[in-house]
Amino acid sequence: AQSVSQHNHHVILSEAASLELGCNYSYGGTVNLFWYVQYPGQHLQLLLKYFSGDPLVKGIKGFEAEFIKSKFSFNLRKPSVQWSDTAEYFCAVNPHSGGYQKVTFGTGTKLQVIP
Amino acid sequence: EPEVTQTPSHQVTQMGQEVILRCVPISNHLYFYWYRQILGQKVEFLVSFYNNEISEKSEIFDDQFSVERPDGSNFTLKIRSTKLEDSAMYFCASSRDPGMDEQYFGPGTRLTVT
Repeated sequence: AQSVSQHNHHVILSEAASLELGCNYSYGGTVNLFWYVQYPGQHLQLLLKYFSGDPLVKGIKGFEAEFIKSKFSFNLRKPSVQWSDTAEYFCAVNPHSGGYQKVTFGTGTKLQVIP
Repeated sequence: EPEVTQTPSHQVTQMGQEVILRCVPISNHLYFYWYRQILGQKVEFLVSFYNNEISEKSEIFDDQFSVERPDGSNFTLKIRSTKLEDSAMYFCASSRDPGMDEQYFGPGTRLTVT
């Protein structure tokens, strides 16, 4: 069964620091990849997605992620975080097998940005 | 921008009772999903639904669970006899074409079983 690993469970950064959150998945076939964000008290929102094409994808609020197929990774980055980025971030994988019906989420990374 | 909506936002029920969680997916979407997130744990897939039938379900989705699209707009999750361990946040999601489009999530229903 596919799984998604997020290596950092809790990250604390000062404003303006750079961010990189790791994500690895275990699935050999074609996948769609996502990063979702959950701000405190709010629902899951899509940050960015990768379906095909350029492996460097840009999302909302200055986030980007790079798909490295050989490493089964899809790390999230932001050059300079803001206090408003405090949230929980979920990497998610949607495999081609089964018609992309099921999204498997990682355990999430809680990001706390200190002003 | 169209959104997935869910009602109620919080449901408290006693163990053994039946609950129905309701969702209104985005209107032109054809695929519907339920996920749950137990407090402190990751979001877990429960079931996907297309063309009035379940297309995939997880091990969690046992005989206590059922889904229905009773009319052209609502999508419901029923838990027949709730257990304490069913306490979680339940998210509904919908998509146009799962191979080409992300899933759009609703705000969730927090279910508390006492």
